[in-house]
Amino acid sequence: KAGVTQTPRYLIKTRGQQVTLSCSPISGHRSVSWYQQTPGQGLQFLFEYFSETQRNKGNFPGRFSGRQFSNSRSEMNVSTLELGDSALYLCASSLGAGIYEQYFGPGTRLTVT
Amino acid sequence: AQSVAQPEDQVNVAEGNPLTVKCTYSVSGNPYLFWYVQYPNRGLQFLLKYITGDNLVKGSYGFEAEFNKSQTSFHLKKPSALVSDSALYFCAVRDWSSNSGYALNFGKGTSLLVTP
Repeated sequence: KAGVTQTPRYLIKTRGQQVTLSCSPISGHRSVSWYQQTPGQGLQFLFEYFSETQRNKGNFPGRFSGRQFSNSRSEMNVSTLELGDSALYLCASSLGAGIYEQYFGPGTRLTVT
Repeated sequence: AQSVAQPEDQVNVAEGNPLTVKCTYSVSGNPYLFWYVQYPNRGLQFLLKYITGDNLVKGSYGFEAEFNKSQTSFHLKKPSALVSDSALYFCAVRDWSSNSGYALNFGKGTSLLVTP
């Protein structure tokens, strides 16, 4: 099976712009989670979707949003970008929540200038 | 409060020696525990998990982890380290919080360096 794919892999944006990141989960996986990874804060949970519904949301401002489509593909959007949003954004898919392990994509490296 | 802690930022071990990467957790109820590894410029790779049952869990690449309920620990181990094991290791626990709901919380990570 193909793994989790994320596009684009690298992105450079300026402050105030918005960005949309895409994630395609492993075939058959219905749960998609998003994480932000930075050297200072480590891995922080953004949100989790299952069957097009947001199930959980981390402690991030409303500028961070996401959605999941009927084919389980997911997108996350960040509006009004700030310098502090520069990070590696990781998407992970799993069969479901709870006991299931997550499989991660390679990430999208976002740089905000 | 942090629900999972990795007390060591870095662990150094010589190739061929046993390695241990420490993890402690703090959750209410039964913990669902995971270990992941991250190589440079890559996403995380799943190594193993503990849900219930045998306290010694075996995973990928010869790694294993021991669940200790009394010490609330889930240390990652390998009998004989390889240079290629050098990477960043994350412990994670499924936890419930009023802010995030039922989310996977990661430790800060431990950098493992295996020297030849």
